Amino acid sequence: NAGVTQTPKFQVLKTGQSMTLQCAQDMNHNSMYWYRQDPGMGLRLIYYSASEGTTDKGEVPNGYNVSRLNKREFSLRLESAAPSQTSVYFCASSGGSGNTIYFGEGSWLTVV
Amino acid sequence: EDQVTQSPEALRLQEGESSSLNCSYTVSGLRGLFWYRQDPGKGPEFLFTLYSAGEEKEKERLKATLTKKESFLHITAPKPEDSATYLCAVGEGGGSEKLVFGKGTKLTVNP
Repeated sequence: NAGVTQTPKFQVLKTGQSMTLQCAQDMNHNSMYWYRQDPGMGLRLIYYSASEGTTDKGEVPNGYNVSRLNKREFSLRLESAAPSQTSVYFCASSGGSGNTIYFGEGSWLTVV
Repeated sequence: EDQVTQSPEALRLQEGESSSLNCSYTVSGLRGLFWYRQDPGKGPEFLFTLYSAGEEKEKERLKATLTKKESFLHITAPKPEDSATYLCAVGEGGGSEKLVFGKGTKLTVNP
């Protein structure tokens, strides 16, 4: 049982380049999330999707866009990468408010 | 503003030396307090969810407890494989999807 799968695992971008992080879950969860984790800052919510067709901003949405492609997939796009977006990105899913959130293994992104 | 504070930031124990990690929180309408374990280079791994004051949950050498303002993760007779960063997160009520995470406690257990 794969759980939450995200790709790529590692990526180096130049400032101004764009890229999309892909995420898929096989737990039939309604809710999906994108977090970033930085040293000394903890995990911070970028965007989330409570159900297919809906997305909402989290704590740090600037510079990102998301797409809930279907119930399984939730992608995160950086349109014009900046060094401040160097971070570890985690996708997660849950059955909804109050339910446990399960995380993927992370995507390490470096913007130079 | 919802806040979650974990202490200590780092804890070093000898194998078999029991201790506790603290998570204090301020949130309007707690809908759950979550404990995760995170190993280097990995995603957070779910440990426990606590929903109401007085609730306790156990798993192997770990026991989580909850009061109205804080949660403790007690580690009994730890082993080196318990070394990890332990994260606490709280969800606010009202149907919110958002979890607020603490910065974590990095636990090192020496043999």
